[in-house]
Amino acid sequence: DTAVSQTPKYLVTQMGNDKSIKCEQNLGHDTMYWYKQDSKKFLKIMFSYNNKELIINETVPNRFSPKSPDKAHLNLHINSLELGDSAVYFCASSQWGAKNIQYFGAGTRLSVL
Amino acid sequence: SQQGEEDPQALSIQEGENATMNCSYKTSINNLQWYRQNSGRGLVHLILIRSNEREKHSGRLRVTLDTSKKSSSLLITASRAADTASYFCATLNPTGANSKLTFGKGITLSVRP
Repeated sequence: DTAVSQTPKYLVTQMGNDKSIKCEQNLGHDTMYWYKQDSKKFLKIMFSYNNKELIINETVPNRFSPKSPDKAHLNLHINSLELGDSAVYFCASSQWGAKNIQYFGAGTRLSVL
Repeated sequence: SQQGEEDPQALSIQEGENATMNCSYKTSINNLQWYRQNSGRGLVHLILIRSNEREKHSGRLRVTLDTSKKSSSLLITASRAADTASYFCATLNPTGANSKLTFGKGITLSVRP
């Protein structure tokens, strides 16, 4: 069983559209994250949720809205997509604590045309 | 702001050789972690070293941490073609509610058969 799964794996869309990415973890973790990896492989945190509560919001545009219906799920909705949103988006999860070892999904490659 | 900076950015070695990758960071940390990313996949946690530790081993991996120089190194001994991947260091800071991992830009390791 996949520990952290995100869908879809690929997303190709036009500028201005709205799209969502879904993430689910079956590790029993209480914290989930969204990261953005750009074309140079630089990985930057966007959001983190602990027990469905937003903990970190790294100055991400308001067009990005995360939602956590429960501890095992964290979705990302993006409004009015722009060319600069093209990237790979990773979901991750961890158990809150001193180590914060994170488990990543396989990524969603978003291409905005 | 970016915390970890890996060095070199790309490394190409022959199978069986050792690979050494370095990471520098700027602020105090709780722990430092190394992750591997195979092409088209998510990141996988390799090893963690706490700020009060100087060296850790795990299989063919050896990580060192020098907090006075704010640097870490990852040594992979007896490399294999399957070690070909990108390697990222990530620092955890601070502790508590705003704890987050900050990733470096990554090192691309190529192991030639």
